[in-house]
Amino acid sequence: DTGVSQDPRHKITKRGQNVTFRCDPISEHNRLYWYRQTLGQGPEFLTYFQNEAQLEKSRLLSDRFSAERPKGSFSTLEIQRTEQGDSAMYLCASSLGGRVGHNPSEAFFGQGTRLTVV
Amino acid sequence: ELKVEQNPLFLSMQEGKNYTIYCNYSTTSDRLYWYRQDPGKSLESLFVLLSNGAVKQEGRLMASLDTKARLSTLHITAAVHDLSATYFCAVDIVPGTYKYIFGTGTRLKVLA
Repeated sequence: DTGVSQDPRHKITKRGQNVTFRCDPISEHNRLYWYRQTLGQGPEFLTYFQNEAQLEKSRLLSDRFSAERPKGSFSTLEIQRTEQGDSAMYLCASSLGGRVGHNPSEAFFGQGTRLTVV
Repeated sequence: ELKVEQNPLFLSMQEGKNYTIYCNYSTTSDRLYWYRQDPGKSLESLFVLLSNGAVKQEGRLMASLDTKARLSTLHITAAVHDLSATYFCAVDIVPGTYKYIFGTGTRLKVLA
């Protein structure tokens, strides 16, 4: 499977615990995005990387959230001291972009990690 | 603030009927994306509309884009049960970046 891969698919955690999610993008994609989707809503942009550089963070990303993409390949999203309001589906997407002569198309999404904070 | 609004939010229709989902957005973007999402699943790309007047068709779905009106439509022809899903439109926050603002979604249920 050469699509965007996310792990784990489901995570249940107690309030106050830390959790970490992983995303493996499509191998040749240099851009990686994190989105959050709560029940009945559309996904909301959280942050994105070009290679290993984190280029933008949404104001939705509180201090408890941190994302990394250390080698410009896979990325991790960590939530510290989880709260019940963090319960959501966390979606990762990847795309090509920012390259001279590149004809952009779209972002491709992974299956998501569903987080439940109890 | 960039807003993307869809209507209707919920749509229940009989098999064989036609219907249109509307997506209005508040920025001057010339790119718009349509995605499908099944319950508990991720987003499946349906259409990428890259310019004013773009029209794309796949099976029973046809999408169009009017950048002057800031409006995209997703037309369903002769609906079948398999089309039951939630449909989202999305616009780049900054064109070409794929930092999307998604619409509210339209939950479609096709009744046999």
